[in-house]
Amino acid sequence: DPKIIQKPKYLVAVTGSEKILICEQYLGHNAMYWYRQSAKKPLEFMFSYSYQKLMDNQTASSRFQPQSSKKNHLDLQITALKPDDSATYFCASSGQSGAETLYFGSGTRLTVL
Amino acid sequence: GDSVTQTEGPVTVSESESLIINCTYSATSIAYPNLFWYVRYPGEGLQLLLKVITAGQKGSSRGFEATYNKETTSFHLQKASVQESDSAVYYCALGDNNNAPRFGAGTKLSVKP
Repeated sequence: DPKIIQKPKYLVAVTGSEKILICEQYLGHNAMYWYRQSAKKPLEFMFSYSYQKLMDNQTASSRFQPQSSKKNHLDLQITALKPDDSATYFCASSGQSGAETLYFGSGTRLTVL
Repeated sequence: GDSVTQTEGPVTVSESESLIINCTYSATSIAYPNLFWYVRYPGEGLQLLLKVITAGQKGSSRGFEATYNKETTSFHLQKASVQESDSAVYYCALGDNNNAPRFGAGTKLSVKP
Protein backbone atom coordinates (compact mmCIF):
# COMPACT_ATOMS: atom_id res chain seq x y z
CA ASP A 1 0.00 0.00 0.00
CA PRO A 2 1.35 3.44 -0.83
CA LYS A 3 2.47 5.34 2.23
CA ILE A 4 2.25 8.73 0.60
CA ILE A 5 -0.97 9.37 -1.23
CA GLN A 6 -1.33 12.13 -3.77
CA LYS A 7 -4.64 13.01 -5.33
CA PRO A 8 -5.58 13.34 -8.06
CA LYS A 9 -3.11 11.48 -10.21
CA TYR A 10 -3.98 13.57 -13.26
CA LEU A 11 -5.51 17.02 -13.37
CA VAL A 12 -6.52 19.22 -16.28
CA ALA A 13 -7.35 22.85 -15.60
CA VAL A 14 -8.11 25.96 -17.59
CA THR A 15 -6.04 29.11 -17.41
CA GLY A 16 -7.10 31.35 -14.56
CA SER A 17 -8.74 28.64 -12.48
CA GLU A 18 -7.77 27.35 -9.05
CA LYS A 19 -6.88 23.82 -8.01
CA ILE A 20 -5.85 22.01 -4.85
CA LEU A 21 -3.40 19.13 -4.90
CA ILE A 22 -3.79 16.70 -2.02
CA CYS A 23 -1.01 14.93 -0.14
CA GLU A 24 -1.31 12.60 2.83
CA GLN A 25 1.47 10.56 4.38
CA TYR A 26 1.13 7.54 6.63
CA LEU A 27 4.76 7.15 7.63
CA GLY A 28 4.48 9.08 10.88
CA HIS A 29 6.86 11.72 9.54
CA ASN A 30 7.12 15.26 10.82
CA ALA A 31 8.55 16.95 7.73
CA MET A 32 6.76 17.27 4.40
CA TYR A 33 7.75 18.81 1.09
CA TRP A 34 6.51 19.81 -2.32
CA TYR A 35 8.62 19.53 -5.45
CA ARG A 36 7.78 20.26 -9.05
CA GLN A 37 9.13 18.78 -12.25
CA SER A 38 8.36 20.24 -15.65
CA ALA A 39 9.22 18.62 -18.93
CA LYS A 40 12.99 18.60 -19.42
CA LYS A 41 13.57 20.50 -16.18
CA PRO A 42 15.12 19.43 -12.89
CA LEU A 43 13.20 18.42 -9.81
CA GLU A 44 12.58 21.82 -8.27
CA PHE A 45 12.05 22.34 -4.55
CA MET A 46 8.99 24.44 -3.65
CA PHE A 47 8.11 24.25 0.07
CA SER A 48 9.03 22.39 3.21
CA TYR A 49 7.03 22.06 6.41
CA SER A 50 8.04 20.71 9.77
CA TYR A 51 5.49 20.05 12.50
CA GLN A 52 2.97 21.91 10.33
CA LYS A 53 5.09 25.04 10.17
CA LEU A 54 6.60 26.48 7.00
CA MET A 55 10.36 25.98 7.10
CA ASP A 56 11.50 26.92 3.63
CA ASN A 57 9.88 28.48 0.61
CA GLN A 58 11.60 28.64 -2.76
CA THR A 59 8.52 29.53 -4.78
CA ALA A 60 8.48 33.16 -5.78
CA SER A 61 4.83 33.30 -6.69
CA SER A 62 2.17 33.76 -4.03
CA ARG A 63 -0.19 31.84 -6.30
CA PHE A 64 1.21 28.72 -4.71
CA GLN A 65 0.03 28.23 -1.13
CA PRO A 66 0.69 25.11 0.94
CA GLN A 67 -1.96 24.15 3.47
CA SER A 68 -1.40 21.85 6.43
CA SER A 69 -4.66 21.02 8.19
CA LYS A 70 -3.22 17.98 9.95
CA LYS A 71 0.26 16.79 10.77
CA ASN A 72 0.21 14.20 7.99
CA HIS A 73 -1.35 16.46 5.35
CA LEU A 74 0.26 19.02 3.14
CA ASP A 75 -1.96 20.20 0.33
CA LEU A 76 -0.95 22.67 -2.36
CA GLN A 77 -3.37 25.32 -3.53
CA ILE A 78 -2.60 26.94 -6.86
CA THR A 79 -4.60 29.99 -7.92
CA ALA A 80 -4.82 31.88 -11.21
CA LEU A 81 -3.35 28.91 -13.07
CA LYS A 82 -1.10 29.52 -16.06
CA PRO A 83 0.05 27.13 -18.80
CA ASP A 84 3.59 27.41 -17.37
CA ASP A 85 2.31 25.76 -14.19
CA SER A 86 1.92 22.54 -16.15
CA ALA A 87 4.18 20.01 -14.43
CA THR A 88 4.19 16.96 -12.22
CA TYR A 89 3.98 17.94 -8.58
CA PHE A 90 5.55 15.58 -6.07
CA CYS A 91 4.90 15.44 -2.38
CA ALA A 92 7.53 13.93 -0.09
CA SER A 93 8.15 13.40 3.59
CA SER A 94 10.98 12.62 5.96
CA GLY A 95 11.26 11.87 9.64
CA GLN A 96 12.46 15.24 10.88
CA SER A 97 14.50 17.15 8.34
CA GLY A 98 16.14 17.35 4.96
CA ALA A 99 19.15 15.48 6.31
CA GLU A 100 17.12 12.29 6.18
CA THR A 101 15.84 10.11 3.39
CA LEU A 102 12.87 11.50 1.53
CA TYR A 103 9.92 9.30 0.64
CA PHE A 104 7.99 10.42 -2.42
CA GLY A 105 4.44 10.15 -3.60
CA SER A 106 3.70 9.15 -7.15
CA GLY A 107 2.90 12.72 -8.18
CA THR A 108 0.03 14.74 -9.60
CA ARG A 109 0.41 15.57 -13.26
CA LEU A 110 -1.17 18.99 -13.85
CA THR A 111 -1.94 20.27 -17.32
CA VAL A 112 -3.12 23.84 -17.70
CA LEU A 113 -4.83 24.64 -20.99
CA GLY B 1 21.93 28.37 -2.20
CA ASP B 2 22.82 24.72 -2.34
CA SER B 3 23.03 23.13 -5.77
CA VAL B 4 23.88 19.89 -7.51
CA THR B 5 25.30 19.31 -10.98
CA GLN B 6 25.31 15.87 -12.52
CA THR B 7 26.06 14.16 -15.82
CA GLU B 8 23.68 15.33 -18.46
CA GLY B 9 21.75 12.47 -19.98
CA PRO B 10 20.68 10.43 -21.63
CA VAL B 11 23.45 7.93 -21.10
CA THR B 12 23.42 4.64 -22.98
CA VAL B 13 25.67 1.73 -22.11
CA SER B 14 25.67 -1.94 -22.99
CA GLU B 15 24.95 -4.63 -20.46
CA SER B 16 28.00 -5.69 -18.42
CA GLU B 17 29.84 -2.44 -19.16
CA SER B 18 30.94 -0.14 -16.36
CA LEU B 19 29.16 3.07 -15.52
CA ILE B 20 29.96 6.36 -13.88
CA ILE B 21 27.50 9.20 -13.40
CA ASN B 22 29.21 12.33 -12.17
CA CYS B 23 27.82 14.50 -9.41
CA THR B 24 29.31 17.63 -7.91
CA TYR B 25 27.69 19.78 -5.28
CA SER B 26 27.86 23.24 -3.84
CA ALA B 27 26.80 23.60 -0.23
CA THR B 28 26.53 27.14 1.08
CA SER B 29 24.58 26.57 4.30
CA ILE B 30 26.59 23.75 5.82
CA ALA B 31 30.11 22.44 5.27
CA TYR B 32 29.27 18.75 5.08
CA PRO B 33 25.73 18.03 3.98
CA ASN B 34 24.31 14.55 3.64
CA LEU B 35 24.56 13.22 0.10
CA PHE B 36 22.08 10.98 -1.66
CA TRP B 37 21.44 9.12 -4.87
CA TYR B 38 17.79 8.56 -5.73
CA VAL B 39 16.45 6.48 -8.60
CA ARG B 40 13.23 6.33 -10.57
CA TYR B 41 12.67 3.05 -12.36
CA PRO B 42 10.16 3.03 -15.24
CA GLY B 43 6.64 3.12 -13.88
CA GLU B 44 7.77 3.58 -10.29
CA GLY B 45 8.19 6.47 -7.88
CA LEU B 46 11.38 8.19 -6.87
CA GLN B 47 13.19 6.19 -4.19
CA LEU B 48 16.45 6.22 -2.32
CA LEU B 49 19.31 4.26 -3.85
CA LEU B 50 22.05 5.11 -1.38
CA LYS B 51 23.06 7.72 1.14
CA VAL B 52 26.29 8.84 2.80
CA ILE B 53 26.40 11.22 5.74
CA THR B 54 30.11 11.25 6.54
CA ALA B 55 32.77 12.78 4.32
CA GLY B 56 35.22 10.19 3.09
CA GLN B 57 32.79 7.31 3.43
CA LYS B 58 31.37 5.13 0.67
CA GLY B 59 27.78 4.04 0.27
CA SER B 60 26.64 1.07 -1.75
CA SER B 61 23.40 -0.53 -2.86
CA ARG B 62 22.33 -2.88 -5.67
CA GLY B 63 25.92 -3.00 -6.93
CA PHE B 64 26.21 0.79 -7.12
CA GLU B 65 28.76 2.72 -5.11
CA ALA B 66 29.38 6.39 -4.38
CA THR B 67 32.10 7.99 -2.26
CA TYR B 68 31.66 11.29 -0.46
CA ASN B 69 34.66 13.39 -1.51
CA LYS B 70 34.76 16.68 0.36
CA GLU B 71 37.96 17.85 -1.36
CA THR B 72 36.45 17.74 -4.82
CA THR B 73 32.86 18.19 -3.54
CA SER B 74 31.84 15.18 -5.58
CA PHE B 75 29.66 12.12 -5.11
CA HIS B 76 29.99 10.13 -8.33
CA LEU B 77 27.85 7.05 -8.82
CA GLN B 78 29.64 3.97 -10.17
CA LYS B 79 28.82 0.42 -11.09
CA ALA B 80 31.27 -2.11 -12.42
CA SER B 81 28.83 -4.06 -14.55
CA VAL B 82 25.39 -2.72 -15.36
CA GLN B 83 22.33 -4.78 -16.12
CA GLU B 84 19.32 -4.00 -18.26
CA SER B 85 17.26 -3.69 -15.07
CA ASP B 86 19.40 -0.69 -14.07
CA SER B 87 17.74 1.41 -16.76
CA ALA B 88 16.25 4.32 -14.85
CA VAL B 89 16.67 8.00 -14.07
CA TYR B 90 19.24 8.73 -11.36
CA TYR B 91 19.25 11.86 -9.22
CA CYS B 92 22.02 13.16 -7.01
CA ALA B 93 20.88 15.24 -4.02
CA LEU B 94 22.17 16.96 -0.92
CA GLY B 95 20.37 17.83 2.29
CA ASP B 96 20.92 18.93 5.86
CA ASN B 97 19.00 19.57 9.06
CA ASN B 98 18.07 23.11 8.14
CA ASN B 99 17.26 22.87 4.45
CA ALA B 100 15.14 20.72 2.22
CA PRO B 101 17.09 18.47 -0.13
CA ARG B 102 18.15 19.90 -3.47
CA PHE B 103 18.33 17.64 -6.49
CA GLY B 104 20.37 17.51 -9.64
CA ALA B 105 18.71 17.49 -13.04
CA GLY B 106 18.65 13.70 -13.24
CA THR B 107 20.50 11.37 -15.58
CA LYS B 108 18.51 8.98 -17.69
CA LEU B 109 20.35 5.69 -18.09
CA SER B 110 19.49 3.17 -20.76
CA VAL B 111 21.21 -0.21 -20.70
CA LYS B 112 21.23 -2.10 -23.97
CA PRO B 113 20.94 -5.88 -23.74
